[in-house]
Amino acid sequence: EIVLTQSPATLSLSPGERATLSCRASQSVSTYLAWYQQKPGQPPRLLIYNASFRASGIPTRFSGSGSGADFTLTISSLEPEDFAVYYCQQLTNWPRTFTFGPGTRVEIK
Amino acid sequence: QVQLVQSGAEVKKPGSSVKVSCKPSRGTFNNHVINWVRQAPGQGLEWVGGTTPSGSANYAQKFQGRVTITADKSTNTAYMELSSLTSDDTAIYYCAKETKVGTGFYYGLDVWGHGTAVTVSS
Repeated sequence: EIVLTQSPATLSLSPGERATLSCRASQSVSTYLAWYQQKPGQPPRLLIYNASFRASGIPTRFSGSGSGADFTLTISSLEPEDFAVYYCQQLTNWPRTFTFGPGTRVEIK
Repeated sequence: QVQLVQSGAEVKKPGSSVKVSCKPSRGTFNNHVINWVRQAPGQGLEWVGGTTPSGSANYAQKFQGRVTITADKSTNTAYMELSSLTSDDTAIYYCAKETKVGTGFYYGLDVWGHGTAVTVSS
């Protein structure tokens, strides 16, 4: 079973700053990786799919990169609404299973 | 955009079962893949299981033998049933749809239900 590790656990930043979130897989997942944002009391929202493609309606300040076992989500300039928890998630095709990372909380400094 | 409408909150006794439903606000599921993800209070996201593009179901190893995911085409409703409940199963259960499934490409879980709170308590 593939394990995802996210770092840091918490990121304390100010609005306007750049956020860099890391997701590392215990083995290669190719580009079968997605990123989600979750705010309190809400379901997760898809931000990035297939490692680097922005989902519909997602602002351009969000970008994803990486392949294999190392991935990064970058928020180029934090807006007040971006303070939330971010999860990475991978898909394994055979059998078709998913794993989520433990999450990174982006909080206001 | 289509929404996923889930059944209401449940309170269950330890050892019992719960069945949660998920239905699109309009249209049909067609061949969309439906996954179920849960979130215990204050915790992260955990994949429970989901249907496959061929229509079968796969489950997280942790839930094997205890969870059943089905889809009723006649009512256009997906279901997740979890049995032998313990207090550790207290969580919000989300259904989430993969609108697109591609070979060599992962489109992500792009539509999520609002979640169904399941509380297991004696």
